[in-house]
Parts: sequence; structure tokens; C-alpha cells
Amino acid sequence: KQEVTQIPAALSVPEGENLVLNCSFTDSAIYNLQWFRQDPGKGLTSLLLIQSSQREQTSGRLNASLDKSSGRSTLYIAASQPGDSATYLCASFEGVFGAGTILRVKS
Amino acid sequence: DAGVIQSPRHEVTEMGQEVTLRCKPISGHNSLFWYRQTMMRGLELLIYFNNNVPIDDSGMPEDRFSAKMPNASFSTLKIQPSEPRDSAVYFCASATGEAYEQYFGPGTRLTVT
Repeated sequence: KQEVTQIPAALSVPEGENLVLNCSFTDSAIYNLQWFRQDPGKGLTSLLLIQSSQREQTSGRLNASLDKSSGRSTLYIAASQPGDSATYLCASFEGVFGAGTILRVKS
Repeated sequence: DAGVIQSPRHEVTEMGQEVTLRCKPISGHNSLFWYRQTMMRGLELLIYFNNNVPIDDSGMPEDRFSAKMPNASFSTLKIQPSEPRDSAVYFCASATGEAYEQYFGPGTRLTVT
């Protein structure tokens, strides 16, 4: 069964820094991988989805990559802002979620 | 589009009572997912439907939990009888298309006392 892990569990950075969040999965036959953002007490907002045939997707300051052979996906956030502070989660098509990375961007 | 709609947003009930959570997926989406989120266990998939048919219910914790999808625009998750350890936020999500991108509802915060 697919397992998804995320590191680091928490990250604190100063405003303006570029950062990378990591997501690992065990089954390389992954159909897609989706990145979400969750603000405290709120629901999940979809950020990016990468299908198995793709290597990366970009939306604004966000870029997500997928490497099936190594079982890894990364979410790159450029020029981080305090408004980026949230929990970031990755999930496989089967609905298996990582535990999330809590991001704090300090002004 | 209104997005995925869940009701109620908050539910407080006493142990032993029946609880019914409701979800309206995005129109045109043919897959629906129920999740539970707790601090201890994170987000867990309970069940998912495709074209109104339950495909994987292996995440349903016990027989006290049941889910139905009588039509493409409505699903329920029922807990009977409820227990304090069922307290959590329950999310519904829907998806469609080749990409199968999931869109989440706002969640129902359930507290069982």
C-alpha cells in the first residue's frame, strides 16, 4: 500500500527566502501527486497536481516536481512571504496523505 | 461553482447518539472521498466512491461508520453510535477527469462528549 512521508515536519524561514518542501512515496507506480495548503482551522486548498506523465508543474511562485524513480516530489516556494505560512500537505491519487510540513515565514 | 458543500459545519453530540454528516460534491465530479483529520493521526481516507459506487472502504474504522451516495450530488457519512474518540474534523472531497484533482469542502468539526 502506498505510504507518503514529508520532511521537514516544521520549517521557519525569514521573509524572501526560497525554500523546498519534500514528499516521499513508496509506490513508484503513482498516478498523480497533489500538493495542498491548509491554514489553521480551515480546509485544504489545492496548490498543484502533477500527473505521472509529467515532471513538474508551476503556478506563480510555486513549482512542484515529481521523480517517480526515486519516489520523491518537491514543492519549491520562491521569495517566501508571511502569507505563505501554513501547513503544506502532499497526497497520492489513492488519498494517502503525508503528515505535512508546518511552514512559518517571519517578517 | 459553489465548491464542495458540507453540512453541518459544527456538530456537538453526546456519546451514543447517531451523527449524520452530509456532502454535496462539485457538479459534474464523479468521484467523492470522505476523510477524517485528527492531530494524532493526520488525514485518513475513510471511503471513496466512483460514479456513486463505493470503491474502497478499507479506511472505515468500524461497523459504527457507514457511508452512502444515493446519487451524484449527495453523500452521507453516518456514525451510530458515536463515541468520544470519533471527535475529529471530517472532510469531503470530489474529483473528476483524467487528472483526478481533488477539491475539498470546508469540513465538519465533530465533538462527541
